[in-house]
Amino acid sequence: DAKTTQPPSMDCAEGRAANLPCNHSTISGNEYVYWYRQIHSQGPQYIIHGLKNNETNEMASLIITEDRKSSTLILPHATLRDTAVYYCIVLEYGNKLVFGAGTILRVKS
Amino acid sequence: GAGVSQSPSNKVTEKGKDVELRCDPISGHTALYWYRQRLGQGLEFLIYFQGNSAPDKSGLPSDRFSAERTGESVSTLTIQRTQQEDSAVYLCASSLTAGGGNQPQHFGDGTRLSIL
Repeated sequence: DAKTTQPPSMDCAEGRAANLPCNHSTISGNEYVYWYRQIHSQGPQYIIHGLKNNETNEMASLIITEDRKSSTLILPHATLRDTAVYYCIVLEYGNKLVFGAGTILRVKS
Repeated sequence: GAGVSQSPSNKVTEKGKDVELRCDPISGHTALYWYRQRLGQGLEFLIYFQGNSAPDKSGLPSDRFSAERTGESVSTLTIQRTQQEDSAVYLCASSLTAGGGNQPQHFGDGTRLSIL
């Protein structure tokens, strides 16, 4: 079972920041938080991951709370191509990705 | 650089036939993973390789499923005597190593398998 909780869906206006929340209250000290997204009929795409500190790359930023019980993925300037299902994952057993239901993000013009 | 490549992208076959699915990981990635995704559902872990060895085969659904990897590169997933419940998208991912949680897995676009 997934160890994360995400809202089922969110809407975002094109050009605005999309902030996707995730709860992982049972995360253990050495487990990483990963974000992937999946666009219809494509394989999951890696976005970003982190352990304790906030992280930023060319796609997104990841903000992890100090107690590590929740995190937020930020897409700074959402485009229509960012419409996808976004999965927040706590990496279990070191190797098996367990995807929950995710958040359907709809970017609207 | 080249990502994870899977072939064929689509496969339609009759119940009872054997199928072979291929995965070419990112060059230099020593870890390789197979997952299955049924329509509208999440990912189901099948097996992973570190090098040519498979430390964890726990996700293989039955003895009709097998996988091998050679040369620390290409992997094939074989399904014998296919059944209709085997219809799914089979996804392959690779990562630099399999150790720890700090190695992102990068996915191919999968093979869509349909059993008639």
